Amino acid sequence: EDQVTQSPEALRLQEGESSSLNCSYTVSGLRGLFWYRQDPGKGPEFLFTLYSAGEEKEKERLKATLTKKESFLHITAPKPEDSATYLCAVNPGGYQKVTFGTGTKLQVIP
Amino acid sequence: DAMVIQNPRYQVTQFGKPVTLSCSQTLNHNVMYWYQQKSSQAPKLLFHYYDKDFNNEADTPDNFQSRRPNTSFCFLDIRSPGLGDAAMYLCATSKPSGLANSPLHFGNGTRLTVT
Repeated sequence: EDQVTQSPEALRLQEGESSSLNCSYTVSGLRGLFWYRQDPGKGPEFLFTLYSAGEEKEKERLKATLTKKESFLHITAPKPEDSATYLCAVNPGGYQKVTFGTGTKLQVIP
Repeated sequence: DAMVIQNPRYQVTQFGKPVTLSCSQTLNHNVMYWYQQKSSQAPKLLFHYYDKDFNNEADTPDNFQSRRPNTSFCFLDIRSPGLGDAAMYLCATSKPSGLANSPLHFGNGTRLTVT
């Protein structure tokens, strides 16, 4: 069975304090790994797609990386507006189906 | 801007009273999904349409049904809502997974309360 595990469940950072979120996965065959940002009371917003080990994507203060077993979302010098829940999801391929993790709730304090 | 729109944003229904949630998209995507998300949990796929082909997840209760009358619209019908069905319901769209860069595009959800 495909599984996605995110850690930590919650993370509290001071503004400017860099850190990383982890997403570990077990799938039969990875077609893509996705990162989403979800603000309270809203739908998830797409951030990145990663396809193969060694791939990296960047957007503003966020950088996503992928290995054969996990992905990291690195947040450099975060700002309060980066506060949100970050969801990881995997597409095992061959089907229109994505498995989500439960997310990491990030709070950045001014 | 192309988008996914869900109505209503908030829905209150009584135990056992049927309710319909709606979703429309201007992205012209082939695939539309319904997810259920409870507090601090991962979104859970209920079913999806690939064009007009309906695909039900094995553990989706019979109480949940869906209609897709055309490319742009999709509805979620809950025939007899129970207290355990209170959740955020998320509609999403995507291109077929065989294409590169086919992430999900979500609406802002409908928060369902069952009294």
